[in-house]
Amino acid sequence: VIWMTQSPSLLSASTGDRVTISCRMSQGISSYLAWYQQKPGKAPELLIYAASTLQSGVPSRFSGSGSGTDFTLTISCLQSEDFATYYCQQYYSFPRTFGQGTKVEIK
Amino acid sequence: EVQLVESGGGLVKPGGSLRLSCAASGFTFSSYSMNWVRQAPGKGLEWVSSISSSSSYIYYADSVKGRFTISRDNAKNSLYLQMNSLRAEDTAVYYCARDPPEVAVAGTLDYWGQGTLVTVSS
Repeated sequence: VIWMTQSPSLLSASTGDRVTISCRMSQGISSYLAWYQQKPGKAPELLIYAASTLQSGVPSRFSGSGSGTDFTLTISCLQSEDFATYYCQQYYSFPRTFGQGTKVEIK
Repeated sequence: EVQLVESGGGLVKPGGSLRLSCAASGFTFSSYSMNWVRQAPGKGLEWVSSISSSSSYIYYADSVKGRFTISRDNAKNSLYLQMNSLRAEDTAVYYCARDPPEVAVAGTLDYWGQGTLVTVSS
């Protein structure tokens, strides 16, 4: 099983801020990492796959980086609609695993 | 438009059984692997099970292995999750999610249903 450590669990920020979320793997997964956004009461939505490729329709203020064991999701200029919970997910092997989630809240 | 619609959730007693369904439309269902992912109230996401497009490959989380069975009917564009020996810790919203076949994105979950709530309680 590949364990994932996502941090921070809670991030307080203001509109316009640049925010960074980290995801660390217990073993290397090349670039088989995805990021999802989930808003309250809604299903998650795919933001980024292959560690750094934006899903169609996702704003360019979102970016992903990393490979191997350390990955980062960056939102360059936080907008009001970005306040949500974010999850990383590895798809290098089964069982698929998710990070614990990072809630981005209004400061 | 891709649509995934789950059904079959509800209240069940510990030790009971439930069968979830996911009706797919708007894409060629038989070409895609499919997954179940769950989320306990106020908690994070937990992958539950995956089934390949032709049902040749099936995987389960350790937490449900031996109790849950994933299946699909490509003729009916439907995905199922048979849940037996249910426990309180299985209480969650269950989502079905599509896994695209393209090499670059295979393993991600690019479309999700709205979820169905399963509550296990006496």
